Amino acid sequence: NAGVTQTPKFRILKIGQSMTLQCAQDMNHNYMYWYRQDPGMGLKLIYYSVGAGITDKGEVPNGYNVSRSTTEDFPLRLELAAPSQTSVYFCATQPFKGRTDTQYFGPGTRLTVL
Amino acid sequence: AQTVTQSQPEMSVQEAETVTLSCTYDTSESDYYLFWYKQPPSRQMILVIRQEAYKQQNATENRFSVNFQKAAKSFSLKISDSQLGDAAMYFCAYRNSGGSNYKLTFGKGTLLTVNP
Repeated sequence: NAGVTQTPKFRILKIGQSMTLQCAQDMNHNYMYWYRQDPGMGLKLIYYSVGAGITDKGEVPNGYNVSRSTTEDFPLRLELAAPSQTSVYFCATQPFKGRTDTQYFGPGTRLTVL
Repeated sequence: AQTVTQSQPEMSVQEAETVTLSCTYDTSESDYYLFWYKQPPSRQMILVIRQEAYKQQNATENRFSVNFQKAAKSFSLKISDSQLGDAAMYFCAYRNSGGSNYKLTFGKGTLLTVNP
């Protein structure tokens, strides 16, 4: 049981490049989330999904896209990378029964845009 | 919208001593959940403790306990018998009990240093 996995761990992008951050989970959790953590700040929600085929915007969605074709995977796409997207990105999951449950976080992806 | 405020950017404590980290929040909801997460240098987010707003009893987990003051919208974390491994960034987080997404709202964090 690997829990929540994220790839890659680190990435450096040039301005204008695109990339996909991968998130996978093997816990059969319905809810999945993408957060970003800027230096000295807490986590902010980018996008979330309540199940396969359903996604919605969080606080800071501009410059990102997501898809959720399966329960297990929730990739985050960056189009036309900008220096403002330099951050650490966390994927998290939560079970559907999760009224009293909490979120399980992946190890994060550190992204630098130069 | 809910907000979470951690007014102490940094705190330090001597090993074996007790330290309290502060958190206040703003919400118009009556039923919600509060969390403390620990983030060590590895960056992994680790749940430390959870409090359900409808429970008056303060949550405890071994050396970690909270002081939940619902009327004051305050949720502080007390770490007793501090250990070197407690050194980390600590985040307070809020979540509505209802709604459709269970999203977390985080404070900016408090960096805890434990001195030997």
